[in-house]
Amino acid sequence: EDKVVQSPLSLVVHEGDTVTLNCSYEVTNFRSLLWYKQEKKAPTFLFMLTSSGIEKKSGRLSSILDKKELFSILNITATQTGDSAVYLCVANQAGTALIFGKGTTLSVSS
Amino acid sequence: NAGVTQTPKFRVLKTGQSMTLLCAQDMNHEYMYWYRQDPGMGLRLIHYSVGEGTTAKGEVPDGYNVSRLKKQNFLLGLESAAPSQTSVYFCASSYDASGRTISYNEQFFGPGTRLTVL
Repeated sequence: EDKVVQSPLSLVVHEGDTVTLNCSYEVTNFRSLLWYKQEKKAPTFLFMLTSSGIEKKSGRLSSILDKKELFSILNITATQTGDSAVYLCVANQAGTALIFGKGTTLSVSS
Repeated sequence: NAGVTQTPKFRVLKTGQSMTLLCAQDMNHEYMYWYRQDPGMGLRLIHYSVGEGTTAKGEVPDGYNVSRLKKQNFLLGLESAAPSQTSVYFCASSYDASGRTISYNEQFFGPGTRLTVL
C-alpha cells in the first residue's frame, strides 16, 4: 500500500530553535515530493523535490530528498512564531494523484 | 487573478439533504481536485479531473459526485449528506502540459469549505 509517513506528528520549540521535520514514503511510480505549510486555511506550497541530494532553500526553510532511502527532510532555522503551522509532506505518483502524509504540527513559542 | 475560489465557505446540512460545492479557478489550469481534510487524517483525495468533461475517482469517492462541464469550474455534489461527511473540503488546481499523467506541478488550493452534517 502506498503511504507517506511524517514524524514527529507534533513538535513544540522555542523561538530561535532549529527544527527538522521528517517524511518517509513508500510510493510506487514515484514522481516527486512536495512540502506544504498549512495554517488555519488552505495549504500553501513550499517546495517540490524531484532529484536526490539537491537542497532547495527559501529563506530560513530548506529541504532535501533522498530517493534511495525514500525520505525527505524539511529544515527550519531560527524559528519564529509565524512558523507555527501544520507541515504536509506529499508524494506525487505517476498516473494517479497525490498521496498526503498526516502532517507535522509545529508550535513555536515566544 | 482570484486564483482558486470556493463557494460556500460554510454550510450546515441535515442528514439526507443534498448540496453542491463550487470550485472556480482563473488560471487556465487543466487539472482540478477535491480533497477532504479531517483531524488526524491529513488531506484525502475525493475526485479529480484532468480536463473539461473528464473526472476520475480518488481515494475516498463514495457518497460524492463531481462534474467538470467547464474548464474553470469543478463541482462536488453530495446527494444524501451523512454525518461522516462533516469535514473541511479543499479544491485545488494545477497545470500540466506533459500529457495524460497527473501533474506533479504545484497545486494551488482554495480557501476551503467547512461543512457540518447534523
